[in-house]
Amino acid sequence: DVKVTQSSRYLVKRTGEKVFLECVQDMDHENMFWYRQDPGLGLRLIYFSYDVKMKEKGDIPEGYSVSREKKERFSLILESASTNQTSMYLCASSLYGQGTGELFFGEGSRLTVL
Amino acid sequence: LAKTTQPISMDSYEGQEVNITCSHNNIATNDYITWYQQFPSQGPRFIIQGYKTKVTNEVASLFIPADRKSSTLSLPRVSLSDTAVYYCLVGDYTGGFKTIFGAGTRLFVKA
Repeated sequence: DVKVTQSSRYLVKRTGEKVFLECVQDMDHENMFWYRQDPGLGLRLIYFSYDVKMKEKGDIPEGYSVSREKKERFSLILESASTNQTSMYLCASSLYGQGTGELFFGEGSRLTVL
Repeated sequence: LAKTTQPISMDSYEGQEVNITCSHNNIATNDYITWYQQFPSQGPRFIIQGYKTKVTNEVASLFIPADRKSSTLSLPRVSLSDTAVYYCLVGDYTGGFKTIFGAGTRLFVKA
């Protein structure tokens, strides 16, 4: 069964802390994505990667960075967390791009920044 | 950018057919239409995808008119476990990665 695993389901951090959210997929997919989900706003794309060491900005990249050193792993980094980054973060992977084929999502990481 | 518009919420009863419509007036020639389902505290799950006319799988049907400016997800004989948020997504092979899921449609199925 295909699987996307996010390292932490729940995190609580303080303003200014550096935060790492890890995502691993076991499907050998080329494409990986990071979204954030907020009430009433649906899912918004932060960054995506279509190959190792490659990354592209999504709709809301400000305040975030990403790293993809290995095909199966895609990390989201908050260099200096702020309260407006409190959200649910979802990682996904796909064989094709976001707009076609199937996106496989992880369970999500709920981050609270105090 | 292909933006989508869906109803915020819908109510239904067990055993009924539910149709959720998504508007995507500026859909591009290469765009596909994909629907996802999301339960609380879980990531979205793929339901169905289509390009034109009708697509059917074991859980749903997708109806796309000739102009492709809208699409309708049809869930036959819903049950309580179909209570979820349903998202419509429009995008293409070449990227267009900056599409937005939108707020989705919250479906409540009552007994």
